[in-house]
Amino acid sequence: AQSVTQLDSHVSVSEGTPVLLRCNYSSSYSPSLFWYVQHPNKGLQLLLKYTSAATLVKGINGFEAEFKKSETSFHLTKPSAHMSDAAEYFCVVSVNTGGFKTIFGAGTRLFVKA
Amino acid sequence: DAGITQSPRHKVTETGTPVTLRCHQTENHRYMYWYRQDPGHGLRLIHYSYGVKDTDKGEVSDGYSVSRSKTEDFLLTLESATSSQTSVYFCATSVVRISGDTQYFGPGTRLTVL
Repeated sequence: AQSVTQLDSHVSVSEGTPVLLRCNYSSSYSPSLFWYVQHPNKGLQLLLKYTSAATLVKGINGFEAEFKKSETSFHLTKPSAHMSDAAEYFCVVSVNTGGFKTIFGAGTRLFVKA
Repeated sequence: DAGITQSPRHKVTETGTPVTLRCHQTENHRYMYWYRQDPGHGLRLIHYSYGVKDTDKGEVSDGYSVSRSKTEDFLLTLESATSSQTSVYFCATSVVRISGDTQYFGPGTRLTVL
């Protein structure tokens, strides 16, 4: 079975400090992994994705994530938070299982303090 | 943006009434999806479409039906709305339906069933 767990429902950081949003996954198949961002009253927007190429993936707005198969993790990081990063972030796993399945994490809300 | 609009953006209705939500895309993407978003659950797939008049169920399809008579439009119908269907509904599209393909999301419809 496939699953995805976002380890923190809320994360609060100060502007200019690093951001770490944690995501663990479980999959019997080779997964593709995504991070999406949702700003208030908006739809989800793709930040970055891993599809079995380079394990360190760079995305938009200075975010990056590293696929670690041994730890089954795909944590999202950013060196320096900006006020505009305040949003909800979703980790997503998708697999081809003979069918196709996409599973969304429950989300992590990021707060950025001035 | 992938040119996805949803209407209405907000709706309040009463238990037992029928409700139809509309998703319109201008990208000519083959695949279209309806998700619902509830706190603590991330996004869950209701139904999806893989072409005109071709649809299939997702993981939470009970109480919902869909139709796709044109490539650009995907309708979600609640035949008899219940309070448990109060949620935010997102439409998404994709070019293909394989692991690794990006989904593009509309801005969402907030539905309240009283």
